[in-house]
Amino acid sequence: QKEVEQDPGPLSVPEGAIVSLNCTYSNSAFQYFMWYRQYSRKGPELLMYTYSSGNKEDGRFTAQVDKSSKYISLFIRDSQPSDSATYLCAMRWNNDMRFGAGTRLTVKP
Amino acid sequence: NAGVTQTPKFQVLKTGQSMTLQCAQDMNHNSMYWYRQDPGMGLRLIYYSASEGTTDKGEVPNGYNVSRLNKREFSLRLESAAPSQTSVYFCASGTDRGNSPLHFGNGTRLTVT
Repeated sequence: QKEVEQDPGPLSVPEGAIVSLNCTYSNSAFQYFMWYRQYSRKGPELLMYTYSSGNKEDGRFTAQVDKSSKYISLFIRDSQPSDSATYLCAMRWNNDMRFGAGTRLTVKP
Repeated sequence: NAGVTQTPKFQVLKTGQSMTLQCAQDMNHNSMYWYRQDPGMGLRLIYYSASEGTTDKGEVPNGYNVSRLNKREFSLRLESAAPSQTSVYFCASGTDRGNSPLHFGNGTRLTVT
């Protein structure tokens, strides 16, 4: 079993849809949680960063962490074609940082 | 503000050849990292440098060496390239706090034939 599990998709939605992306993890030591967005042929770009369980909102993006279930989510409201990318979850405790394999998202106009 | 800069962007090597991937950051970060990204595998840590003058192995260090040249620069060397090293290589940097996110370059796409 991988330490971080992320559905690779691909996920295709119409413009304006609400998108839900998820990861599960097995190591309860992880305390810091991140979502990165990666466009084709580019490096991962930090999107959201959170520590505690609960929700964190930034514009159209909401990150949700449930440490008791070892489950994190990223919600995208009013999705746009420019949101088409691969989304990577990541989690960290001290020098141990692990990434999900990424979910490829396409938002169709 | 350039952030993390990697060179070259693309490279093709024959089996057994050597090369060095270069990385520089201008964010005054203490920690620097080298990852490889393969389909379905996610990002895997090759080596990292927590501060100038120190380097440590990550999850997949075999076949690679690194040099932390100064605070800004961290290079990755393949001494004898193998087809299994065909991948996209990313350099990243971060503060020395173990809770901080990493900032990535745009990668080097390496093919070994």
